[in-house]
Amino acid sequence: ETGVTQTPRHLVMGMTNKKSLKCEQHLGHNAMYWYKQSAKKPLELMFVYSLEERVENNSVPSRFSPECPNSSHLFLHLHTLQPEDSALYLCASSQVFGESGANVLTFGAGSRLTVL
Amino acid sequence: ILNVEQSPQSLHVQEGDSTNFTCSFPSSNFYALHWYRWETAKSPEALFVMTLNGDEKKKGRISATLNTKEGYSYLYIKGSQPEDSATYLCASPLRGAGANNLFFGTGTRLTVIP
Repeated sequence: ETGVTQTPRHLVMGMTNKKSLKCEQHLGHNAMYWYKQSAKKPLELMFVYSLEERVENNSVPSRFSPECPNSSHLFLHLHTLQPEDSALYLCASSQVFGESGANVLTFGAGSRLTVL
Repeated sequence: ILNVEQSPQSLHVQEGDSTNFTCSFPSSNFYALHWYRWETAKSPEALFVMTLNGDEKKKGRISATLNTKEGYSYLYIKGSQPEDSATYLCASPLRGAGANNLFFGTGTRLTVIP
């Protein structure tokens, strides 16, 4: 496996279900990200784990819960989601060097989530 | 400008035409400006990262320029080909949100008509 791998690629869940999205990076990067892509909206940064620190977008509802057990794995735990949470969820990783802002993101293929 | 903005939202050009589109971003506390290409059913892929005012980057028929003082970047495609059809995204860190956390524009969706 190379690059950034996301599973599952497609997920359909009811509003009362609990599920998780998984992301794994094989690039030796030190930062991982969750982005949400909804129709006609920009990619929305949800969570960042960088150099073992977590940064979160305060507008993300608590029904989304990230977990980063190590620098290669990232999860997004989902519970009691709403239909408007249906979207493409992209994972990305990068190598962060200081505060340059020039760290290039490598994206996974995404997990398409449908909430019924 | 408080966010990253792109225009136009979509663009149709004939094969062989040259085209360009714009990314606007906050010029204060500038760190870097990224361009990504996102083809249908694939992952976004990095094209360029620019950090200095006046930077110009080129990859084949695609090039980009950066003006950090006025807060804009242009992406140019010379002699568009059908395989250039994709959504082109720009991204930049935003003030107060961390230098390494990229915020994206809505993208410009380019369709090249054979």
